[in-house]
Amino acid sequence: SQTIHQWPATLVQPVGSPLSLECTVEGTSNPNLYWYRQAAGRGLQLLFYSVGIGQISSEVPQNLSASRPQDRQFILSSKKLLLSDSGFYLCACTTGSNTEAFFGQGTRLTVV
Amino acid sequence: KNQVEQSPQSLIILEGKNCTLQCNYTVSPFSNLRWYKQDTGRGPVSLTIMTFSENTKSNGRYTATLDADTKQSSLHITASQLSDSASYICVVPFNNNDMRFGAGTRLTVKP
Repeated sequence: SQTIHQWPATLVQPVGSPLSLECTVEGTSNPNLYWYRQAAGRGLQLLFYSVGIGQISSEVPQNLSASRPQDRQFILSSKKLLLSDSGFYLCACTTGSNTEAFFGQGTRLTVV
Repeated sequence: KNQVEQSPQSLIILEGKNCTLQCNYTVSPFSNLRWYKQDTGRGPVSLTIMTFSENTKSNGRYTATLDADTKQSSLHITASQLSDSASYICVVPFNNNDMRFGAGTRLTVKP
């Protein structure tokens, strides 16, 4: 089965600093990849998804961007972080018609 | 439209007791519904999947039900254990690349 590696686990960044969160997938090829954000006590909000290299779809306008430079690599970035970017970020993947999502362990981002 | 709502938002029970979590969805067309368990600070992990034709499915102490007519699902936990403390999230796929997540039910099992 798929394994999702996501790092770092926790991150504290000052307002205005850049961000780069990386997610890599093992055990499958050509996955659909997702970035979610989870606010405290809230559901998961889809930020970006990708069906292939260089193909990124954004669900909500925001201060973040995503890139997929390789088949099993998905990167979440920001040029200048805002306080409102704080949250728990999760990378996930699905494969083909299988709707089970496999998640990384998440990154707790605190913008101070 | 195309949403997933869960209740209760949070629940506290004593170890050994049973509980039932609810999920209502309006996602259409419907193909399946999954229940995930999310431990604090971790990613969600799938517990069970309910397809359109399934009414009840058990996975150990977890039993999920689905009523496709009323668009409701429930997750029943029997003989709860301390390790059951987690958030339980109901998820319904939407279109080809999207998944609609409920806000989850935060379950706390106390000794």
